[in-house]
Amino acid sequence: GESVGLHLPTLSVQEGDNSIINCAYSNSASDYFIWYKQESGKGPQFIIDIRSNMDKRQGQRVTVLLNKTVKHLSLQIAATQPGDSAVYFCAEVDSNSGYALNFGKGTSLLVTP
Amino acid sequence: DAEITQSPRHKITETGRQVTLACHQTWNHNNMFWYRQDLGHGLRLIHYSYGVQDTNKGEVSDGYSVSRSNTEDLPLTLESAASSQTSVYFCASSENRGQPQHFGDGTRLSIL
Repeated sequence: GESVGLHLPTLSVQEGDNSIINCAYSNSASDYFIWYKQESGKGPQFIIDIRSNMDKRQGQRVTVLLNKTVKHLSLQIAATQPGDSAVYFCAEVDSNSGYALNFGKGTSLLVTP
Repeated sequence: DAEITQSPRHKITETGRQVTLACHQTWNHNNMFWYRQDLGHGLRLIHYSYGVQDTNKGEVSDGYSVSRSNTEDLPLTLESAASSQTSVYFCASSENRGQPQHFGDGTRLSIL
């Protein structure tokens, strides 16, 4: 079964708005989480990561929030741009093994002008 | 710049054939991974390697094999291609186990 899932398979936002993409995980061994962006015909591209000893991490225009109590993380994109249109998915990792225990299926983000 | 490259980018073959997909990275990363990506599924781990001569089975390893004779390469072999193995295959590498994986641009494999 899918232990990492996304609440919304498709998200449409207007340019300039903020976007929030959610992800649930279920594996208690997961202690490291990664958000990837995937454009059509390309491989996943690393966006931001967060370790389980943190609740929040910020990057350039992106913020990841981790709620371990409910096993949920989210990706916030500020001032969404057309170039942000892509599929976004999260990965839960057990850093002892180093490989992703599960990848979400992805949310398609569409930014409209 | 360091990178990870996969070849070929597209391949069509017939059932029963042996197929090898190449993955080459120039980051000198110890860890390398192979995934397949199918509609309705997230990326699923096929095989992975923590270093030269080390290989491990992932979630969907049946029908696939890998070998790691040097740091840079982890070729994926389909011993006898089946139509169920039609997919997009991604190779990835990471410096350490607790570091993000960097992906190639994939190989689209069609088995007829």
